[in-house]
Amino acid sequence: QSALTQPASVSGSPGQSITISCTGTSSDVGSYYLVSWYQQHPGKAPKLMIYEVTKRPSGVSNRFSGSKSGNTASLKISGLQAEDEADYYCCSYAGSTTFDVFGTGTKVTVL
Amino acid sequence: EVQLLESGGGLVQPGGSLRLSCADSGFTFSNYAMSWVRQAPGKGLEWVSAISASGVNTYYADSVKGRFTISRDNSKNTLYLQMNSLRAEDTAVYYCAKDLYGGSSGAGFDYWGQGTLVTVSS
Repeated sequence: QSALTQPASVSGSPGQSITISCTGTSSDVGSYYLVSWYQQHPGKAPKLMIYEVTKRPSGVSNRFSGSKSGNTASLKISGLQAEDEADYYCCSYAGSTTFDVFGTGTKVTVL
Repeated sequence: EVQLLESGGGLVQPGGSLRLSCADSGFTFSNYAMSWVRQAPGKGLEWVSAISASGVNTYYADSVKGRFTISRDNSKNTLYLQMNSLRAEDTAVYYCAKDLYGGSSGAGFDYWGQGTLVTVSS
């Protein structure tokens, strides 16, 4: 159950777009359309931003979008805003034995 | 309004036991799978365990298998995590999280509790 690999940090200026990658294997990201993304501000519980690779929960800004290609999923944040500064985690279903595995996490900084 | 409220965290010695609870409201608890996710101080999220809506199916991370037991009481809308043989590396904030769907979907977690801190130290 190795963690999915994410870049440790990504930064961008307000209004810019950034993309966070999440690399797994053919046993998790590559096999299922069950990748979710979470935003976590310091001291707070995680918040669901994307589920099933591309779907946005009600209330989440359409500036957030998800995609997947092969063993790598991605989260794109468009029109970066100061409030987007947070840690972001991907998560993938990995089968009935392993169940879920999270990514290593990415700190997003708004310059 | 959906609310998940964890309790039971605290300081415990290595080798000791602790039982976490998560009292849930605002949704039909018995219709959804539930999970425990933990976060060590300054570290990332780690999925720990999941249980199906009915409670029949349970799942564990290798790091806790054989030591932790997840259970639920659908009549009390409460999720539990019994933690035995605790180690220093189990020190973390433990979150309960509601699955998007019933059964054991693994699709993601749409609601989270505020977390309860477990510290394993002598």
